[in-house]
Amino acid sequence: AQTVTQSQPEMSVQEAETVTLSCTYDTSESNYYLFWYKQPPSRQMILVIRQEAYKQQNATENRFSVNFQKAAKSFSLKISDSQLGDTAMYFCAFRARVNRDDKIIFGKGTRLHILP
Amino acid sequence: KAGVTQTPRYLIKTRGQQVTLSCSPISGHRSVSWYQQTPGQGLQFLFEYFSETQRNKGNFPGRFSGRQFSNSRSEMNVSTLELGDSALYLCASSFRQDVNTEAFFGQGTRLTVV
Repeated sequence: AQTVTQSQPEMSVQEAETVTLSCTYDTSESNYYLFWYKQPPSRQMILVIRQEAYKQQNATENRFSVNFQKAAKSFSLKISDSQLGDTAMYFCAFRARVNRDDKIIFGKGTRLHILP
Repeated sequence: KAGVTQTPRYLIKTRGQQVTLSCSPISGHRSVSWYQQTPGQGLQFLFEYFSETQRNKGNFPGRFSGRQFSNSRSEMNVSTLELGDSALYLCASSFRQDVNTEAFFGQGTRLTVV
């Protein structure tokens, strides 16, 4: 069974600093996708960044980048020049097709506070 | 383009009652998934519908059911409500049922069972 673990329940950083959120996963699949979702107080889940497992190059979206270590099954999110609007719950998620079952598996989340 | 719309946003029900939640996906999206979010368990997958057929189901009791209509709108029903069913229920829609397809989420329905 696939599992996703986020070991940091809560983090706080000062505005403009860089912060890294950790995520590890477990799977026996070779083809899968990893995602980071952001859930602000408005509750709407927003896709931050996506990584395809067969791509070695780490995905980047503006201030957001990932460090994807496939052998270690690690998928951390780095937020550079953090902004107050980055305050949210961040979920790491995994998706693969196993016997026609391709539901998204989410980690428990990391609550990130950006301090002024 | 309108996003995923979930109604109602808030709901208070009494134990033993039943409830129906609605999700209208983004126009053109045929896949709709439902998730239960609680502080203790996080986000847990309930079920996924594609072209009116349930394709995947999570580990929830039979009290949780759903359906999808020909216009891709989906409803989720919970019968004989229990206090533990209090949660944020999120719906996500995708263009197709594929692992590399981005899922777009609604704002959720906050269900409180008293």
